[in-house]
Amino acid sequence: DAGITQSPRHKVTETGTPVTLRCHQTENHRYMYWYRQDPGHGLRLIHYSYGVKDTDKGEVSDGYSVSRSKTEDFLLTLESATSSQTSVYFCAIGGLAGVGNEQFFGPGTRLTVL
Amino acid sequence: GESVGLHLPTLSVQEGDNSIINCAYSNSASDYFIWYKQESGKGPQFIIDIRSNMDKRQGQRVTVLLNKTVKHLSLQIAATQPGDSAVYFCAENLGDSWGKLQFGAGTQVVVTP
Repeated sequence: DAGITQSPRHKVTETGTPVTLRCHQTENHRYMYWYRQDPGHGLRLIHYSYGVKDTDKGEVSDGYSVSRSKTEDFLLTLESATSSQTSVYFCAIGGLAGVGNEQFFGPGTRLTVL
Repeated sequence: GESVGLHLPTLSVQEGDNSIINCAYSNSASDYFIWYKQESGKGPQFIIDIRSNMDKRQGQRVTVLLNKTVKHLSLQIAATQPGDSAVYFCAENLGDSWGKLQFGAGTQVVVTP
């Protein structure tokens, strides 16, 4: 998984509770991404980061926030979890400029919101 | 908005045969395409990529073909093996947003003995 870890790997929580997912990389990549994956859909981009403290929204950012205080860590927060946020969440790191845009993915976090 | 799609949601292939997975894209501005493989319970794994200035690119047992005229992308897997059973996604980069990939829904490939 290209030096990418995600924690926790599984989480069950209740509606209305805050949840934070962590992505940690050891590759020193500048770009990091959070996706969600749901049945019948491909991966959909939630937020991405192009450097420390530099983040931007993806196509499904409502209800999510992110933070990146260090190159190696990218946090995804659900301020008040809802059942529609039950999903598998993947973190990815970007390719090197000039080499390609391939992204390498972490193992995923399965989140269930009851 | 425009999106990446797939022609076949499930593909059954006999072991040893060649597999062809298709992908249609509608955004003519897309300049970079990637194929990913995802096994059950794991994150997507990079297989091969191709830029829009190319028509074909080969890797180990895999070939990606790009037909810009009809906006079509395909992944060919030679001598399909049981370990090739997985979901395959194509993804496109729209060219105006570095690193922001748009993924298709995926094709399930099932390899039968």
